[in-house]
Order: sequence, then C-alpha cells, then structure tokens
Amino acid sequence: NAGVTQTPKFRVLKTGQSMTLLCAQDMNHEYMYWYRQDPGMGLRLIHYSVGEGTTAKGEVPDGYNVSRLKKQNFLLGLESAAPSQTSVYFCASSPDSPASSYNEQFFGPGTRLTVL
Amino acid sequence: SQQGEEDPQALSIQEGENATMNCSYKTSINNLQWYRQNSGRGLVHLILIRSNEREKHSGRLRVTLDTSKKSSSLLITASRAADTASYFCATAGGFKTIFGAGTRLFVKA
Repeated sequence: NAGVTQTPKFRVLKTGQSMTLLCAQDMNHEYMYWYRQDPGMGLRLIHYSVGEGTTAKGEVPDGYNVSRLKKQNFLLGLESAAPSQTSVYFCASSPDSPASSYNEQFFGPGTRLTVL
Repeated sequence: SQQGEEDPQALSIQEGENATMNCSYKTSINNLQWYRQNSGRGLVHLILIRSNEREKHSGRLRVTLDTSKKSSSLLITASRAADTASYFCATAGGFKTIFGAGTRLFVKA
C-alpha cells in the first residue's frame, strides 16, 4: 500500500496563476482533508470531505476550491495564486469521523508551494 | 484560531532523559491525539486518548488527559536521538480535528 500520496512535491507559481494539487489514498478511507502548515503554526484545515461527492469548508477556505469526484482522490485548487498562499500543503485521510476513536489521520508527504 | 496549544515551544534534552510536553485546549472534545513530524515530512499518528480516559501508554509513550483542566501531557521516556522531531497535539470534535503549533524536541546524543 502506498498510503497517502501527493503530487507535485514542489511547485513555484507566479501571482495570479492557477494550479491543482492532487491527493490520492489507497486505504478506502471515507474522510479526507487538506491542511496548510506555516512556520510557527500548527496545521490549519482548509477543506475536508466526509465521502465521495462531498466537500466542506474548514478553518481557512478562502482562495481554495476542492473536489472529491472519486473516493480515493481529493483535489485542491488555487484559482488565482497569491503570495499569502506560500506554504506547505498536507493531505490526510482517516477511516472515520473525528468524533470516533478510530479517526487516526494518515498524512501525505506534503507539497511545498511558493507563490512569487 | 488554534484549539490546542503546546508547551514548551522547544525542548532540548540529553539522550536517555525523559521529555514531557503539554497541551491545553479550550472547548470540549471527543478525543485528543498526539502526532510526530520529522523535518520535511508529513505527520505520523502516535496515540489517541478518548475524553473518558485519563491515561494511556504505548511503548515509551505515556499520555494523560485532564478534561477538567482541559489539558494533556505527552511523556517520552528514555529518549533517543531518533525522537528528535516536532510533536503536535490535536483535539477532535464534530467533523474537525484541530492541531496546535507543536513542540520542537531535540535529543542530543
């Protein structure tokens, strides 16, 4: 099992450009999440999904969109990148909701994005 | 806003010593988890403690939870150089898990 994979690993964008980050998991998990991590801060939840075809806003959703067309994939889109979106982006998946005792999250290796 | 806040922000100890990290949170939770992050990597789940549990062990890890004080601690016994990493507490409620800013642990060989 590959677990959670993310592509690309690194990307440099110019302000105003768009891109899509891909997250894939092979563990048949229902829940998937996108976080951003900035220096000195913990992970902040951007968007999440509780199952195929569903998405919901997290703590910092502005400037991002997501889609979950297939259960195993969760896409994060930046329509018009801004320097404030320079960050490391992590995708995660879990078998159950955060309310359960089986909601261990499995993380991908991250995507380091720089917006100039 | 962050739910969990770790203390200290950074900790440097000698190999073989114990390391204790604390986490405080603000609202009621279903469970609390601890994760480790090695430099440049994703987070790895260490241990989960439910809101009705007070203490849990896993290998060299011991986690306590005091819901009346809204706090948790992670103890790593007999630390090793390989334990050098950042450690995050994460509080779970509803559909969201919220992570603190982390404690950076450095274990000197």
